[in-house]
Amino acid sequence: QVRLQESGPGLVKSSETLSLTCTVSGDSINNYFWSWIRQPPGKGLEWVAYTFFGGSTKYNPSLKSRVAISVDTSKNQFSLNLDSVTAADTAMYYCARVIVDSQHLYFDPWGQGTLVTVSS
Amino acid sequence: QTVVTQEPSLTVSPGGTVTLTCASSTGAVTNNYYPQWFQQKPGQAPRPLIYNTGNKYSWTPARFSGSLLGGKAALILSGVQADDEADYYCLLYYGGNGVVFGGGTKVAVL
Repeated sequence: QVRLQESGPGLVKSSETLSLTCTVSGDSINNYFWSWIRQPPGKGLEWVAYTFFGGSTKYNPSLKSRVAISVDTSKNQFSLNLDSVTAADTAMYYCARVIVDSQHLYFDPWGQGTLVTVSS
Repeated sequence: QTVVTQEPSLTVSPGGTVTLTCASSTGAVTNNYYPQWFQQKPGQAPRPLIYNTGNKYSWTPARFSGSLLGGKAALILSGVQADDEADYYCLLYYGGNGVVFGGGTKVAVL
């Protein structure tokens, strides 16, 4: 059974870089796409980015200039960096596996999420 | 910017049926958008319910079903139970532009 666990600082200062890691257990990170999704308090879900270890990466156009996603196959982890954060980046950040093939595309499973607060 | 629209809120009586829809600003939703539906309860991570329009997971209750309806993706809840009170989100795939979540529908069971 695949499990995902987010980790990283719960508090980031405004204008600094938010860095999170998702650790994957139960399967190899080489075999799938991996994604970050976020949810501001009391608001809806927002897709941030997804990537495949081979290099295919897509970013939310609204965040593209500030975000980077990377994969560390040696640690079976993938990471998110979001630059120049503001209070608007305060959110629960989830990581998820993305199943992609010729007939399917879906996000499952998800991690439990980690809350990141941007302080001034 | 692509927008995916869901009903902000819906109310249904116990045992009743309610249909949630998911519309794309780009036009009619088809199977090529790989519609997916999630249920989220307070303090919990979203839980996948439906993928690829109408496919269920092993944990998806039989009373939940997904389809295409009038150019939109739809999630139908039949025989609604109190436990179904939650927020529901749809997700659509836009190829090179990635994916977009709908704004979510809050379902109240009253």
